[in-house]
Amino acid sequence: DSGVTQTPKHLITATGQRVTLRCSPRSGDLSVYWYQQSLDQGLQFLIQYYNGEERAKGNILERFSAQQFPDLHSELNLSSLELGDSALYFCASSVEVAGGHTDTQYFGPGTRLTVL
Amino acid sequence: AQKITQTQPGMFVQEKEAVTLDCTYDTSDPSYGLFWYKQPSSGEMIFLIYQGSYDQQNATEGRYSLNFQKARKSANLVISASQLGDSAMYFCAMREGLDSSYKLIFGSGTRLLVRP
Repeated sequence: DSGVTQTPKHLITATGQRVTLRCSPRSGDLSVYWYQQSLDQGLQFLIQYYNGEERAKGNILERFSAQQFPDLHSELNLSSLELGDSALYFCASSVEVAGGHTDTQYFGPGTRLTVL
Repeated sequence: AQKITQTQPGMFVQEKEAVTLDCTYDTSDPSYGLFWYKQPSSGEMIFLIYQGSYDQQNATEGRYSLNFQKARKSANLVISASQLGDSAMYFCAMREGLDSSYKLIFGSGTRLLVRP
């Protein structure tokens, strides 16, 4: 158990719908990352939050957004869903100290999204 | 250009034997971190081992060791005394120090199957 929690574990929805994925980081971790794992794209970085502020964006579609709340949990919102959005969505967290390239990111169990 | 290359899509190993999973990387940043993660069929991403670019010694964690050859830009994972439970996908990943997001860049993975 990494200490990172994600809900729900599975989500099945229809095209055009909107869903919210939730992540709670490990205790003490200030940074939250969202990744998407799909068969054709592999593991791709979506977005990072640090202590409530957006720090970096990766290959995140405009239909997707995220936020990190004062209690440090994060939500990833996916709207106008398309078939191609079906994937495993991971949240990861890390402490983020100076020289952050050394920090280990611990992953949650993932949310498997199926868009029908 | 691919930042992380894993050239072995699939590998077999006999139980109790050692196996090496290859990973090469590309970066011009002198500060970076290299990570290996395991993804069993259940889907979660499990952190295995970390190597920093300035580390003089190869990293070891139990049965896992990282064969770090900086000049060749390779970071191969060695699993000793393979067990049936080692059957999984294995991902090599890198974090670059100058990238302020410290996001992980993943390779395409190697599927390892341990034969009894």
